[in-house]
Amino acid sequence: AQTVTQSQPEMSVQEAETVTLSCTYDTSESNYYLFWYKQPPSRQMILVIRQEAYKQQNATENRFSVNFQKAAKSFSLKISDSQLGDTAMYFCAFMPTQGGSEKLVFGKGTKLTVNP
Amino acid sequence: DTGVSQDPRHKITKRGQNVTFRCDPISEHNRLYWYRQTLGQGPEFLTYFQNEAQLEKSRLLSDRFSAERPKGSFSTLEIQRTEQGDSAMYLCASSLNGGGGGEQFFGPGTRLTVL
Repeated sequence: AQTVTQSQPEMSVQEAETVTLSCTYDTSESNYYLFWYKQPPSRQMILVIRQEAYKQQNATENRFSVNFQKAAKSFSLKISDSQLGDTAMYFCAFMPTQGGSEKLVFGKGTKLTVNP
Repeated sequence: DTGVSQDPRHKITKRGQNVTFRCDPISEHNRLYWYRQTLGQGPEFLTYFQNEAQLEKSRLLSDRFSAERPKGSFSTLEIQRTEQGDSAMYLCASSLNGGGGGEQFFGPGTRLTVL
């Protein structure tokens, strides 16, 4: 069974600084997808960034980028120029390609607080 | 608003009662997922529909849980004889097609409290 581990329950960062959230996962599959989702307080979950395992190039979306280390099964999220609106729970998620459902397997999340 | 909607947003019930939640996915999305999120945890997969067919159910989904998507559009999740352990946020998500790691769009969730 696939598992996703986020070892940092809470983190804080000053506005405009950079922060990195960690995620490791365990799978025997060779092809899969990895995601970071953001869940702001009392609001619905939204996709931050997506990585395909067979692509070596790290995904980037504006201020958000990932460091994908396939051999180490590591998928960290870097947020540059942090903004107050980045305050949220961040979930790392794994999507297997085998099985057909493409269900997401989530970590427990990291609560990020951006301080002014 | 054309996002995923869920109703009700909050539900308080007494142990032993039955509850039903509704999810309306994004209209053209053929895949619909239900997840459960308890306090301090990430969402856990419950079940998945492709169109009207329920194709996968988690072992978390006991016999007291049933889900339907009768016309391949909205879906309902029913919990019979609720228990305090059922208290959680129930999230619905939808996506288009499959086979490509497509983005799942989440609704706001239904928060269930069982007294």
